This record gives sequence, structure tokens and C-alpha cells, in this order.
Amino acid sequence: QVQLQESGPGLVKPSQTLSLTCTVSGGSIRNADYYWSWIRQPPGKGLEWIGYIYYSGNIFHNPSLKSRITISVDTSKNHFSLKLNSVTAADTAVYYCARVLTLGDWYFDLWGRGTLVTVPS
Amino acid sequence: QTVVTQEPSFSVSPGGTVTLTCGLSSGSVSTSYYPSWYQQTPGQAPRTVIYHTNTRSSGVPDRFSGSILGHKAALTITGAQTDDESDYYCVLYMGSGIVLFGGGTKLTVL
Repeated sequence: QVQLQESGPGLVKPSQTLSLTCTVSGGSIRNADYYWSWIRQPPGKGLEWIGYIYYSGNIFHNPSLKSRITISVDTSKNHFSLKLNSVTAADTAVYYCARVLTLGDWYFDLWGRGTLVTVPS
Repeated sequence: QTVVTQEPSFSVSPGGTVTLTCGLSSGSVSTSYYPSWYQQTPGQAPRTVIYHTNTRSSGVPDRFSGSILGHKAALTITGAQTDDESDYYCVLYMGSGIVLFGGGTKLTVL
């Protein structure tokens, strides 16, 4: 059974870079059927798509965040990562990683439990 | 800039039927947007409920169904239960790798 687990610092100072990793267990990140995505949710607000990546490195970003984000994949470690630079308090959120199925469709079919990242104001 | 619209809140009585919708600020939603629906209870990660417009995810009760109603995607709960009280989000694939979340609907069952 495939599981996703986010990890990274829970507190990031303003103007610094937020770095998170999502480890895939129980399956290979090289599975050709899936992309791997980041989504976030500010406290009390809705979900926002950040971006997603294929194991080969093909990436799609949310245009509103594209200038600040880097998404990468490490197939040897079976994980993918998110970096968000120049953070502000507005970047405080629960960050989720999720698996995306795009074969003749497009949806998130598996979610991590999420990790809260706080940027103090 | 296109926005995905959802009702901010909805209320249904236990045993009742409710239909939540997912529209576009401009244009109509069709199956080519691959609408999907996610349920989220407080403090929990989202759970996939419906994908490919009308396919239930594994383990989702058959009281949940998806469809296209007019120019919107729709999630219908027939015979709502108190456990269904959650936030519901729709997602649309806009093409060219771009995905949009709706703002979510807070469903109250009472």
C-alpha cells in the first residue's frame, strides 16, 4: 500500500526558504502512471495547488507561485521536494503532498497527512 | 482570471439529499475538465470522493454521486448522514497542466 509522508521544518523565518520533502513508501516514484504534487492550505482557508512533477522531471507550476517555487524529484531516494523562497506570513499553511493520476484523467488519488509550516509575521 | 465557484455553505437534514455544484466564472464545466471532488474534515487530509466526473473512489459509499448538471459539475449526496458533515472541494483540470481548486463548500448535516 503506497503511502506519502511530508517532512521538513515546522517554522521558517520570513524571507527565508521553505523546504519540504515527500517520501513515497510502498511503491516506486518511477511509476509511469503518476505525477507527484504539492498542495497547501492556509489556516481556515481553502486548498491551493502548488505544482506537480513526473519522475522524469517534467513539471507544472501554479502560475501565481511559479517565480518562487522549485519542485524536484530524487528517484534514488523515492522522494520529491518543494522549495518556496522569500516566504512571508502568507505562506503559513498545511502543506500536503499527493499523487496525481493523469492517464486519461486528472485527479489526486492519494494524499499525505500534511505538515504545518509557520512563518511568523 | 478564471475562478472555480462553489457554494460557500450548504445545510441538509439527516436522510436528505443535497447537491453541491462546481462552476466556472466564465464558461461551462464539461467532462473534459475531469472534475473531481474531495472531502475534508477538520484537522484531516482531504479524501478523494469522486473522480472523472462520476466515478466513486474506493470505499466511498454509493450515496455519493457525481454528474454534470447544466453548465456545472455536481456532487450529490442522497440520504445524507452526520458523518458527511465536511468541507467539499472540487478540482478542475484547465488544460496545459493547470489545475484549479474551487473555494470549497462547508456542508452541515443537522
